[in-house]
Amino acid sequence: GAVVSQHPSWVICKSGTSVKIECRSLDFQATTMFWYRQFPKQSLMLMATSNEGSKATYEQGVEKDKFLINHASLTLSTLTVTSAHPEDSSFYICSARAGGGDTGELFFGEGSRLTVL
Amino acid sequence: GQNIDQPTEMTATEGAIVQINCTYQTSGFNGLFWYQQHAGEAPTFLSYNVLDGLEEKGRFSSFLSRSKGYSYLLLKELQMKDSASYLCAVMDSNYQLIWGAGTKLIIKP
Repeated sequence: GAVVSQHPSWVICKSGTSVKIECRSLDFQATTMFWYRQFPKQSLMLMATSNEGSKATYEQGVEKDKFLINHASLTLSTLTVTSAHPEDSSFYICSARAGGGDTGELFFGEGSRLTVL
Repeated sequence: GQNIDQPTEMTATEGAIVQINCTYQTSGFNGLFWYQQHAGEAPTFLSYNVLDGLEEKGRFSSFLSRSKGYSYLLLKELQMKDSASYLCAVMDSNYQLIWGAGTKLIIKP
């Protein structure tokens, strides 16, 4: 099946620093990628939809200036958590839909666990 | 509003069969997904139903009834490695995925 790779898997940073997470579709082109965060024992929460070549669409309540998303190519989207604080500590997951269109299987990256000290 | 309901936790015995139910109320319907998620890992795809009926894939089967807003995931011949959370997600009319909170499945020897 299609592969989505996410990097880094783990990151620990000091409060106030910025952290960049990469999401790559390795064997298919993804015009749309999705970024989620997940707190312990909770379901996935969609943060934003990343569109190649255009601005991301953020869900209500998600600060676009804090969570910067760039989708510079058909195989790469990045999420930058700016001026991270302990409450930003979470599991961040990206996904992409293979095959184009709006339906079809959604493939997930491995996830990135962010811990802000 | 949009809503996905599934049990919080279930327990089953190794070798047995378990059925995880999911009911949904969404703005439109473009398919229902089941994902498996082990602790600390990202979800992995299990099944996709868009038409009524049963889809079988090895030890796992998924059923959908659109008129009832209902689906279930059936796991047969349970193995210890099946201990995980199972997420039900529905794609609405805007092709957005609405996620359930997940069902934590505990397998006992």
